[in-house]
Amino acid sequence: QVHLQESGPGLVEPSATLSLTCTVSGVSFSSNSYYWDWIRQPPGKGLEWLGSIYYSGDTYYNPSLRSRVTISIDTSKNQFSLNLSSVTAADTAMYYCARDRAVTGRVIDYWGQGTLVTVSS
Amino acid sequence: QTVVTQEPSFSVSPGGTVTLTCGLSSGSVSTTYYPTWYQQTPGQAPRTLIYNANTRSSGVPDRFSGSILGNKAALTITGAQADDESDYYCVLYMGRGIWVFGGGTKLTVL
Repeated sequence: QVHLQESGPGLVEPSATLSLTCTVSGVSFSSNSYYWDWIRQPPGKGLEWLGSIYYSGDTYYNPSLRSRVTISIDTSKNQFSLNLSSVTAADTAMYYCARDRAVTGRVIDYWGQGTLVTVSS
Repeated sequence: QTVVTQEPSFSVSPGGTVTLTCGLSSGSVSTTYYPTWYQQTPGQAPRTLIYNANTRSSGVPDRFSGSILGNKAALTITGAQADDESDYYCVLYMGRGIWVFGGGTKLTVL
């Protein structure tokens, strides 16, 4: 069974860098069939796609956040990570990692349970 | 920047049929956007319902169906049940690795 699990600090200070890791199991992490995505959801609001990474290290970012987002991958650990720099209270959200399958079409299909990150001093 | 549009809210009676839509601020939605629909209940991660516009995800009841209606993607719930009361999100693939979510529809069953 595909399983994704987010981990990282639940509290980040304003202007600091938010760093999260997603650990993946139950699937061939380095398969050329998958991208690995980060998505967030502020409290009471909708979903926002942040970006994705391919096993090769190719990255794709939300244009509105491109200057602050970095996604990296460690295939030896079945992990990928999110860095979001210069955070403000507006970055307070539930952060999800997800699998993005590119076989006979395209779909973000499996999601982690999410981790709540609060930006506050 | 392209905006993906959804009805903010919708209401359906138990046993009734409702169609939620997913459009673009400019242009028409087609299968090349690989429309995906999610259901989200409070405190839970989104659940994948429909992908590639009309393919039902494993375990999803057949009362949920997806289609392209005119210039929008559509999610139809036939025979709505009380536990269908949720937030529903669509997402579209814009190409070049970019996805854009709609703002979501809050569905009430009453």
